[in-house]
Amino acid sequence: ETGVTQSPTHLIKTRGQQVTLRCSSQSGHNTVSWYQQALGQGPQFIFQYYREEENGRGNFPPRFSGLQFPNYSSELNVNALELDDSALYLCASSPGGQGNYEQYFGPGTRLTVT
Amino acid sequence: LAKTTQPISMDSYEGQEVNITCSHNNIATNDYITWYQQFPSQGPRFIIQGYKTKVTNEVASLFIPADRKSSTLSLPRVSLSDTAVYYCLVGDTWGNKLVFGAGTILRVKS
Repeated sequence: ETGVTQSPTHLIKTRGQQVTLRCSSQSGHNTVSWYQQALGQGPQFIFQYYREEENGRGNFPPRFSGLQFPNYSSELNVNALELDDSALYLCASSPGGQGNYEQYFGPGTRLTVT
Repeated sequence: LAKTTQPISMDSYEGQEVNITCSHNNIATNDYITWYQQFPSQGPRFIIQGYKTKVTNEVASLFIPADRKSSTLSLPRVSLSDTAVYYCLVGDTWGNKLVFGAGTILRVKS
């Protein structure tokens, strides 16, 4: 069984640019959540996708957007990058439905904005 | 969403039992309590979840008193590899929006 994978592992972008991060969910999981983790802090919920529809959003501006594909993989897009967007971006998948607490996290993408 | 409070850090020695307590005074009736573990440069890993009383699995136990305003994660006989950040989360039944606090840094020494 393949776990959650994310690409790329590391990324360096310039302020104002746009970035796309990718996530492949674990087999059999139809729900994907994205989190931003700044250094020394806990992960912050960005949004969740369930069967290709957004199913909850945290306190992030609209320049953070996402997409889920029919195979349940997902993308996180961030426009107009700011220096504060530098963080570890984590993707987590789960089977979905009630009791959605056991989420399986990928290794993350380390984004640096200069 | 219920706010959680945990100690910032804890130190222990190999072979000891470690108990990490989390306060969640405004926990709602439908809220579950969940604990995650995170190693540096890795995503968090689910440890255990409970609603009331005691839950035990192969790696930890979770103790929840009757008023549910706190919970205690118990790690039996810790080893150096248990050095990590431990997060206590409280949320509704669906768990769609996991809210992580700052976590507790556990350092296990030899």
